[in-house]
Amino acid sequence: DSGVTQTPKHLITATGQRVTLRCSPRSGDLSVYWYQQSLDQGLQFLIQYYNGEERAKGNILERFSAQQFPDLHSELNLSSLELGDSALYFCASSAGTSDADTQYFGPGTRLTVL
Amino acid sequence: AQKVTQAQTEISVVEKEDVTLDCVYETRDTTYYLFWYKQPPSGELVFLIRRNSFDEQNEISGRYSWNFQKSTSSFNFTITASQVVDSAVYFCAQFTGRRALTFGSGTRLQVQP
Repeated sequence: DSGVTQTPKHLITATGQRVTLRCSPRSGDLSVYWYQQSLDQGLQFLIQYYNGEERAKGNILERFSAQQFPDLHSELNLSSLELGDSALYFCASSAGTSDADTQYFGPGTRLTVL
Repeated sequence: AQKVTQAQTEISVVEKEDVTLDCVYETRDTTYYLFWYKQPPSGELVFLIRRNSFDEQNEISGRYSWNFQKSTSSFNFTITASQVVDSAVYFCAQFTGRRALTFGSGTRLQVQP
């Protein structure tokens, strides 16, 4: 158990809908990262937050957004969902003292768009 | 550009065999970090090891060992006396200061009883 929690574990929804994925980092960690794992794209970095502020952006679509709250939990919002958004979404956290800190991953949220 | 190549898509071994998973990385940075993660069938990503570019010492942890060679840009992972519980997808990843991990495509290891 990495100490990173993600809810829900599974999510099934329809095209065009909007969903919110939630992540709680390990106790004491200030950085949160979101990754998408799909069969065709592999594991791809989406976005990073550090202590409430956006720190880095990867291949995140404009339909997707994220935020980190004062209690350091983070939410990833996916809107206007398409079939291709079906994937495993991981949250990871790190201490944040260095950009190279080890990232510890949560169990993931499996999103299925029908 | 940063790139991590895991050329072995799938490896199948019989229990107690030794197996080596290859990882080749590309970077122009002099400071970088390399990682291995394990993704068992349950789906979570489990951190295994982190090495920085200034430390080429090999590392052993139980049945796991890692061989880091800057001359060949490789960071290979060996499991000695494999067990069925080692069956998983293993990912090699690189961090180069651009604040995100770059993952390889993964190697699926199947250990048959």
